[in-house]
Amino acid sequence: GAVVSQHPSRVICKSGTSVKIECRSLDFQATTMFWYRQFPKKSLMLMATSNEGSKATYEQGVEKDKFLINHASLTLSTLTVTSAHPEDSSFYICSATPGQINTEAFFGQGTRLTVV
Amino acid sequence: GENVEQHPSTLSVQEGDSAVIKCTYSDSASNYFPWYKQELGKGPQLIIDIRSNVGEKKDQRIAVTLNKTAKHFSLHITETQPEDSAVYFCAASIHGNQFYFGTGTSLTVIP
Repeated sequence: GAVVSQHPSRVICKSGTSVKIECRSLDFQATTMFWYRQFPKKSLMLMATSNEGSKATYEQGVEKDKFLINHASLTLSTLTVTSAHPEDSSFYICSATPGQINTEAFFGQGTRLTVV
Repeated sequence: GENVEQHPSTLSVQEGDSAVIKCTYSDSASNYFPWYKQELGKGPQLIIDIRSNVGEKKDQRIAVTLNKTAKHFSLHITETQPEDSAVYFCAASIHGNQFYFGTGTSLTVIP
């Protein structure tokens, strides 16, 4: 299957700082990328959907000014957690789809964010 | 919006036995149903999927069935092995535009 690379896999940051997470599709062009948040032993919660060259669509309850998403190219999307707080600590996962209809979503390996 | 329910939340089976995980969905427009396996600390990996024009799909020890009328789909793993132990998620999607996930099933295969 297609490969989606997410970086970093783990990050620890101080409260109040910002953290950027990258999601790259390595062998295909990703028209759409999704960002999820996962709490321990819970399912994936969709945070936002981003399409290349346009603004991300955020799910209800997700603060767009806190979770900045940029999908500047067909192979790269970034999630920036701004002014991080301990409650932002979580497992963040991206996924990407090669096409617009009837296509699979391939997931990155996830980023464990710990805010201290 | 779409609502996906998944059962059971935990499942323990003896090595060599079969495991079945069931999901239901609410939106009849959903037409793509993938299953993912997630190991601890890793992202979900697609293991099998089915589209709405197919009732069953099989890949070695893994099979998925879909009942569009009843809006439910199931994952079947036969001859389970310890390495099958993981959390499994079902999902429903409309044309791959947005994915709605079930709550996950933690499968433990006992050697």
